[in-house]
Amino acid sequence: EDKVVQSPLSLVVHEGDTVTLNCSYEVTNFRSLLWYKQEKKAPTFLFMLTSSGIEKKSGRLSSILDKKELFSILNITATQTGDSAVYLCAVEVAGNNRKLIWGLGTSLAVNP
Amino acid sequence: GAVVSQHPSWVICKSGTSVKIECRSLDFQATTMFWYRQFPKQSLMLMATSNEGSKATYEQGVEKDKFLINHASLTLSTLTVTSAHPEDSSFYICSARDQAFFGQGTRLTVV
Repeated sequence: EDKVVQSPLSLVVHEGDTVTLNCSYEVTNFRSLLWYKQEKKAPTFLFMLTSSGIEKKSGRLSSILDKKELFSILNITATQTGDSAVYLCAVEVAGNNRKLIWGLGTSLAVNP
Repeated sequence: GAVVSQHPSWVICKSGTSVKIECRSLDFQATTMFWYRQFPKQSLMLMATSNEGSKATYEQGVEKDKFLINHASLTLSTLTVTSAHPEDSSFYICSARDQAFFGQGTRLTVV
């Protein structure tokens, strides 16, 4: 059965800290891995990763994929209170409808 | 950038009534729209995938007669929760454009 596992499930840090969120997966027909940030409403897209070893970066956020070990990490440096959210990892499986398998998310709280 | 507009953002209805949720793609054509449900502190659960001009593909365990999906145009997909019951109370979200863009979500409460 396809599955995506995120860790930790929750994390509390202080502003300025650096955090690393983990996402491991076991799927057949891997196509891509996506990271999203979810605050109170619907998720917003962060990154899509398809190749191993190529870091994607956007401001203080970065992510990398390891297709051999079947995991990805999302790094956030110099965290701010506005980074508080649930970070979701999803793996797209190849097929007609490009289905996503979702992790449960990591709930990040950044305290001032 | 691409925007998916979802309405209403929240709705309260009585048991037994039906509720329609709309998702519109504002500046692109959405051939495919994904409909999700999310319960508190849980991840997104795919309910169905709608394709413009054809029948939706429902995930296992999702009743197609209860959750009616219509995708009659390239810019509009609708989800109708028929004969809603309290257990249908949830957060419903649509996404399009290879799931890079999500609607704002609809919080449905059935009383």
